[in-house]
Amino acid sequence: GQQLNQSPQSMFIQEGEDVSMNCTSSSIFNTWLWYKQEPGEGPVLLIALYKAGELTSNGRLTAQFGITRKDSFLNISASIPSDVGIYFCAGRNNNAGNMLTFGGGTRLMVKP
Amino acid sequence: NAGVTQTPKFRILKIGQSMTLQCTQDMNHNYMYWYRQDPGMGLKLIYYSVGAGITDKGEVPNGYNVSRSTTEDFPLRLELAAPSQTSVYFCASTPAQFNTEAFFGQGTRLTVV
Repeated sequence: GQQLNQSPQSMFIQEGEDVSMNCTSSSIFNTWLWYKQEPGEGPVLLIALYKAGELTSNGRLTAQFGITRKDSFLNISASIPSDVGIYFCAGRNNNAGNMLTFGGGTRLMVKP
Repeated sequence: NAGVTQTPKFRILKIGQSMTLQCTQDMNHNYMYWYRQDPGMGLKLIYYSVGAGITDKGEVPNGYNVSRSTTEDFPLRLELAAPSQTSVYFCASTPAQFNTEAFFGQGTRLTVV
Protein backbone atom coordinates (compact mmCIF):
# COMPACT_ATOMS: atom_id res chain seq x y z
CA GLY A 1 0.00 0.00 0.00
CA GLN A 2 0.93 3.64 -0.06
CA GLN A 3 3.39 4.78 2.58
CA LEU A 4 4.29 8.17 3.94
CA ASN A 5 7.65 8.85 5.53
CA GLN A 6 7.45 11.73 7.95
CA SER A 7 10.49 13.37 9.50
CA PRO A 8 11.76 14.14 11.95
CA GLN A 9 10.11 11.73 14.38
CA SER A 10 10.54 14.18 17.23
CA MET A 11 11.85 17.66 17.88
CA PHE A 12 12.73 19.46 21.09
CA ILE A 13 13.08 23.18 20.49
CA GLN A 14 13.30 26.46 22.34
CA GLU A 15 10.31 28.76 22.38
CA GLY A 16 10.60 31.30 19.57
CA GLU A 17 12.43 28.98 17.19
CA ASP A 18 11.07 28.05 13.79
CA VAL A 19 10.12 24.43 13.07
CA SER A 20 10.14 22.48 9.83
CA MET A 21 8.87 18.97 9.18
CA ASN A 22 8.16 17.08 5.99
CA CYS A 23 6.54 14.06 4.45
CA THR A 24 7.60 12.09 1.42
CA SER A 25 5.83 9.35 -0.45
CA SER A 26 6.63 6.79 -3.09
CA SER A 27 3.22 7.51 -4.63
CA ILE A 28 1.51 10.57 -5.99
CA PHE A 29 -1.17 12.22 -3.90
CA ASN A 30 -3.92 14.58 -5.03
CA THR A 31 -4.35 16.12 -1.60
CA TRP A 32 -2.04 16.73 1.33
CA LEU A 33 -3.33 17.43 4.81
CA TRP A 34 -1.60 18.41 8.02
CA TYR A 35 -3.16 17.52 11.39
CA LYS A 36 -2.22 18.25 14.98
CA GLN A 37 -2.99 15.87 17.80
CA GLU A 38 -2.90 16.94 21.43
CA PRO A 39 -2.76 14.45 24.31
CA GLY A 40 -6.02 12.57 24.78
CA GLU A 41 -7.59 14.11 21.71
CA GLY A 42 -8.20 13.14 18.11
CA PRO A 43 -6.28 14.82 15.28
CA VAL A 44 -7.49 18.25 14.22
CA LEU A 45 -6.99 19.56 10.69
CA LEU A 46 -4.53 22.46 10.39
CA ILE A 47 -4.02 22.94 6.67
CA ALA A 48 -5.31 21.30 3.49
CA LEU A 49 -3.47 21.46 0.15
CA TYR A 50 -5.18 20.53 -3.11
CA LYS A 51 -2.81 21.56 -5.90
CA ALA A 52 0.83 20.81 -6.71
CA GLY A 53 2.99 23.79 -5.78
CA GLU A 54 0.31 25.28 -3.53
CA LEU A 55 1.59 27.23 -0.54
CA THR A 56 -0.95 27.87 2.20
CA SER A 57 -0.68 29.64 5.55
CA ASN A 58 -2.74 29.42 8.70
CA GLY A 59 -1.42 31.94 11.19
CA ARG A 60 2.15 30.94 12.06
CA LEU A 61 1.81 27.72 10.07
CA THR A 62 2.77 27.40 6.42
CA ALA A 63 2.49 24.25 4.35
CA GLN A 64 3.40 23.44 0.77
CA PHE A 65 2.27 20.77 -1.69
CA GLY A 66 5.40 19.59 -3.50
CA ILE A 67 5.66 20.00 -7.27
CA THR A 68 6.22 16.28 -7.76
CA ARG A 69 3.04 15.59 -5.71
CA LYS A 70 5.08 13.16 -3.65
CA ASP A 71 6.00 15.44 -0.78
CA SER A 72 4.81 18.20 1.50
CA PHE A 73 6.28 20.26 4.28
CA LEU A 74 4.95 22.17 7.27
CA ASN A 75 6.69 25.12 8.87
CA ILE A 76 5.82 26.70 12.20
CA SER A 77 7.31 30.11 12.84
CA ALA A 78 8.12 31.58 16.25
CA SER A 79 7.04 28.50 18.19
CA ILE A 80 5.15 28.85 21.45
CA PRO A 81 4.51 26.30 24.23
CA SER A 82 0.99 25.52 23.00
CA ASP A 83 2.46 24.24 19.73
CA VAL A 84 3.36 21.08 21.64
CA GLY A 85 1.74 17.99 20.17
CA ILE A 86 2.07 15.41 17.43
CA TYR A 87 1.82 16.65 13.88
CA PHE A 88 0.65 14.24 11.19
CA CYS A 89 0.74 14.55 7.46
CA ALA A 90 -1.84 12.70 5.43
CA GLY A 91 -2.21 12.15 1.73
CA ARG A 92 -5.13 11.17 -0.41
CA ASN A 93 -5.18 9.71 -3.90
CA ASN A 94 -8.43 10.18 -5.81
CA ASN A 95 -7.96 6.78 -7.39
CA ALA A 96 -7.99 5.12 -3.97
CA GLY A 97 -11.40 6.32 -2.87
CA ASN A 98 -11.37 8.77 -0.01
CA MET A 99 -8.89 6.87 2.12
CA LEU A 100 -6.23 8.93 3.80
CA THR A 101 -2.72 7.58 4.30
CA PHE A 102 -1.08 8.99 7.41
CA GLY A 103 2.57 9.61 8.18
CA GLY A 104 4.09 8.39 11.44
CA GLY A 105 3.89 11.80 13.08
CA THR A 106 6.36 14.36 14.38
CA ARG A 107 6.32 14.86 18.13
CA LEU A 108 7.06 18.51 18.91
CA MET A 109 8.20 19.64 22.33
CA VAL A 110 8.74 23.33 23.07
CA LYS A 111 10.84 24.54 25.96
CA PRO A 112 9.64 27.85 27.39
CA ASN B 1 -22.30 20.74 18.76
CA ALA B 2 -21.15 17.18 19.51
CA GLY B 3 -19.38 16.25 16.25
CA VAL B 4 -17.96 12.71 16.44
CA THR B 5 -18.50 10.93 19.75
CA GLN B 6 -16.73 7.73 20.74
CA THR B 7 -17.41 5.50 23.71
CA PRO B 8 -15.87 4.20 25.86
CA LYS B 9 -12.73 6.34 26.30
CA PHE B 10 -10.80 3.56 28.00
CA ARG B 11 -11.22 -0.20 28.21
CA ILE B 12 -9.21 -3.18 29.39
CA LEU B 13 -10.10 -6.55 27.85
CA LYS B 14 -8.88 -10.03 28.56
CA ILE B 15 -7.63 -12.15 25.66
CA GLY B 16 -10.56 -13.74 23.88
CA GLN B 17 -13.18 -11.31 25.13
CA SER B 18 -15.30 -9.34 22.73
CA MET B 19 -16.45 -5.76 22.74
CA THR B 20 -17.97 -3.05 20.57
CA LEU B 21 -16.49 0.41 20.22
CA GLN B 22 -19.25 2.91 19.59
CA CYS B 23 -19.02 5.86 17.23
CA THR B 24 -21.75 8.33 16.40
CA GLN B 25 -21.75 11.60 14.50
CA ASP B 26 -24.43 14.27 14.34
CA MET B 27 -23.20 16.08 11.23
CA ASN B 28 -25.07 13.93 8.70
CA HIS B 29 -21.76 12.84 7.15
CA ASN B 30 -21.86 10.05 4.60
CA TYR B 31 -18.32 8.77 5.08
CA MET B 32 -17.15 7.26 8.34
CA TYR B 33 -13.85 5.58 9.23
CA TRP B 34 -12.15 3.59 11.93
CA TYR B 35 -8.41 4.02 12.48
CA ARG B 36 -6.01 2.54 14.97
CA GLN B 37 -2.97 4.37 16.26
CA ASP B 38 -0.10 2.36 17.68
CA PRO B 39 2.62 4.06 19.74
CA GLY B 40 4.92 6.15 17.56
CA MET B 41 2.95 5.25 14.47
CA GLY B 42 0.52 7.03 12.22
CA LEU B 43 -3.12 6.15 11.80
CA LYS B 44 -3.96 2.94 10.00
CA LEU B 45 -7.38 2.50 8.42
CA ILE B 46 -9.33 -0.52 9.68
CA TYR B 47 -12.70 -0.15 7.96
CA TYR B 48 -14.66 2.59 6.32
CA SER B 49 -18.20 3.23 5.16
CA VAL B 50 -19.48 5.41 2.34
CA GLY B 51 -23.05 5.42 3.59
CA ALA B 52 -25.66 3.48 5.52
CA GLY B 53 -25.56 -0.20 4.61
CA ILE B 54 -22.16 -0.01 2.87
CA THR B 55 -18.85 -0.91 4.48
CA ASP B 56 -15.43 -1.83 3.15
CA LYS B 57 -12.06 -3.00 4.43
CA GLY B 58 -9.19 -0.66 4.98
CA GLU B 59 -5.53 -1.45 5.45
CA VAL B 60 -5.75 -3.56 8.64
CA PRO B 61 -9.24 -5.16 8.88
CA ASN B 62 -8.31 -8.56 10.33
CA GLY B 63 -9.87 -9.21 13.74
CA TYR B 64 -12.52 -6.52 13.36
CA ASN B 65 -16.03 -6.16 12.02
CA VAL B 66 -18.23 -3.16 11.39
CA SER B 67 -21.81 -2.33 10.51
CA ARG B 68 -23.52 0.82 9.32
CA SER B 69 -27.26 0.55 9.81
CA THR B 70 -27.76 4.31 10.11
CA THR B 71 -25.94 7.40 8.84
CA GLU B 72 -25.10 8.41 12.41
CA ASP B 73 -23.60 5.22 13.84
CA PHE B 74 -20.58 3.14 12.87
CA PRO B 75 -19.70 0.61 15.59
CA LEU B 76 -16.47 -1.41 15.50
CA ARG B 77 -16.62 -4.95 16.82
CA LEU B 78 -13.75 -7.03 18.22
CA GLU B 79 -14.83 -10.66 18.50
CA LEU B 80 -11.79 -12.37 20.03
CA ALA B 81 -9.52 -9.73 21.51
CA ALA B 82 -5.78 -10.29 21.12
CA PRO B 83 -2.82 -8.38 22.63
CA SER B 84 -1.96 -7.14 19.13
CA GLN B 85 -5.19 -5.15 19.23
CA THR B 86 -3.93 -3.01 22.09
CA SER B 87 -4.06 0.44 20.56
CA VAL B 88 -5.88 3.76 20.47
CA TYR B 89 -8.87 3.67 18.15
CA PHE B 90 -10.18 6.74 16.36
CA CYS B 91 -13.44 7.17 14.54
CA ALA B 92 -13.72 9.89 11.91
CA SER B 93 -16.26 11.22 9.43
CA THR B 94 -16.34 13.35 6.29
CA PRO B 95 -19.39 14.78 4.55
CA ALA B 96 -18.71 13.70 0.97
CA GLN B 97 -16.25 11.72 -1.09
CA PHE B 98 -13.88 14.52 -1.99
CA ASN B 99 -14.22 16.70 1.07
CA THR B 100 -11.20 15.66 3.00
CA GLU B 101 -11.62 17.56 6.23
CA ALA B 102 -12.06 14.51 8.41
CA PHE B 103 -13.50 15.14 11.86
CA PHE B 104 -12.12 12.83 14.51
CA GLY B 105 -13.51 11.57 17.78
CA GLN B 106 -11.43 11.73 20.96
CA GLY B 107 -10.35 8.13 20.71
CA THR B 108 -10.77 4.89 22.67
CA ARG B 109 -7.71 3.52 24.43
CA LEU B 110 -7.94 -0.27 24.45
CA THR B 111 -5.62 -2.60 26.31
CA VAL B 112 -5.83 -6.37 25.84
CA VAL B 113 -4.17 -8.41 28.57
